Amino acid sequence: GAVVSQHPSRVICKSGTSVKIECRSLDFQATTMFWYRQFPKKSLMLMATSNEGSKATYEQGVEKDKFLINHASLTLSTLTVTSAHPEDSSFYICSAYPGPRTEAFFGQGTRLTVV
Amino acid sequence: ELKVEQNPLFLSMQEGKNYTIYCNYSTTSDRLYWYRQDPGKSLESLFVLLSNGAVKQEGRLMASLDTKARLSTLHITAAVHDLSATYFCAVDSQGGSEKLVFGKGTKLTVNP
Repeated sequence: GAVVSQHPSRVICKSGTSVKIECRSLDFQATTMFWYRQFPKKSLMLMATSNEGSKATYEQGVEKDKFLINHASLTLSTLTVTSAHPEDSSFYICSAYPGPRTEAFFGQGTRLTVV
Repeated sequence: ELKVEQNPLFLSMQEGKNYTIYCNYSTTSDRLYWYRQDPGKSLESLFVLLSNGAVKQEGRLMASLDTKARLSTLHITAAVHDLSATYFCAVDSQGGSEKLVFGKGTKLTVNP
């Protein structure tokens, strides 16, 4: 099946620093990718839709200045958590669809811990 | 606003038993997905259901979709320990937008 690769899988950073998470579609092109956040033992919440060559679309309540999304190519989207705080600690997962009416494939996820 | 409700949220069952997980959603959609998540891991796609009456089976799992009732079921047959995981259903929120709304998940524990 299609492969979505996310990196890093784990990151620990200090409060106030920024962290970049990469999401790549390895064997297909994706004009759109999606970023989700999952709190421990909770469900996934959509944060934003990443659009290749244009601005991301953020869900209500998600701070666009804190969670910067860049989708510079058809195979790469990045999520940068800026000025990280401990409450930003979470599991971040990206997804993409290889084609219409297919299922979404998810990256491996990134466990972010802000200390 | 689309709401997706799963039940039960927790399920403990013995090996060899059968059980069904239910997924209800509040607005019209013809795309429903089931995913499995192991602890600390990402999501593994199990089934994609794209039309009313769709039924798909893989091993001991079978999923169905009734778009009129806005209900999907994930049936487990003769459970084995390896099926222990959290199962999520997800619904396309805007009919083809690819933005998914997830249920809260069902944590399944299969005991020997």
